[in-house]
Amino acid sequence: QVQLVQSGADVKKPGASVKVSCKASGYSFTSYSIHWVRQAPGQGLEWMGIMNPAGGSTTYAQKFQGRVTMTRDTSTSTAYMELSSLRSEDTAVYYCARRDGGNSAVGYWGPGTLVTVSS
Amino acid sequence: EIVLTQSPGTLSLSPGERATLSCRASQSISSTYLAWYQQKPGQAPRLLIYDASSRAAGIPDRFSGSGSGTDFTLTISTLEPEDFAVYYCQQYFSSPFTFGPGTKVDIK
Repeated sequence: QVQLVQSGADVKKPGASVKVSCKASGYSFTSYSIHWVRQAPGQGLEWMGIMNPAGGSTTYAQKFQGRVTMTRDTSTSTAYMELSSLRSEDTAVYYCARRDGGNSAVGYWGPGTLVTVSS
Repeated sequence: EIVLTQSPGTLSLSPGERATLSCRASQSISSTYLAWYQQKPGQAPRLLIYDASSRAAGIPDRFSGSGSGTDFTLTISTLEPEDFAVYYCQQYFSSPFTFGPGTKVDIK
């Protein structure tokens, strides 16, 4: 079965960077793009970007351009999302996700990684 | 960027009642690129409806989606206790693949 396992919670100081990992299993990693979505405490869902693990191409939401980098390691079927220049407003749960089988909606979600930015 | 607006913000209903949730897009999107998700506290979202009207695997038939262009609707025909949650729409027609702000369905 499809599984997305994310790295554990992290605490960072303002100005630092965080790198969240997402290890995929149960399917061919290079066959499905990985989305990253975040959710601040008590707030809604915010789409950050998407990465194609086959070639590594990425599309980022403009809001995060210049601060986010999405990469992958195909040898371990792991996707990464790095966010730099952290500020308190970046405190959120970060989800990796994959599209559903036969359509383009997001059908599989990781459990989320809480990133707390605090001095 | 396509902005999605959801209404109402909160819907207070009783089990057994019908829920009708609205999602409106700032510009026309293909009906094949609109999804609905359910999220409960402390959990990741769960896909309910894709391509505006198709139920995802394992989703009960009391959930249905409709609409096209800029106006979309999620209907829960008869609310079960486990349906009280927050519901989001998302368009995946054009990047960024934006979400609506959500509709909370709570117990009256």
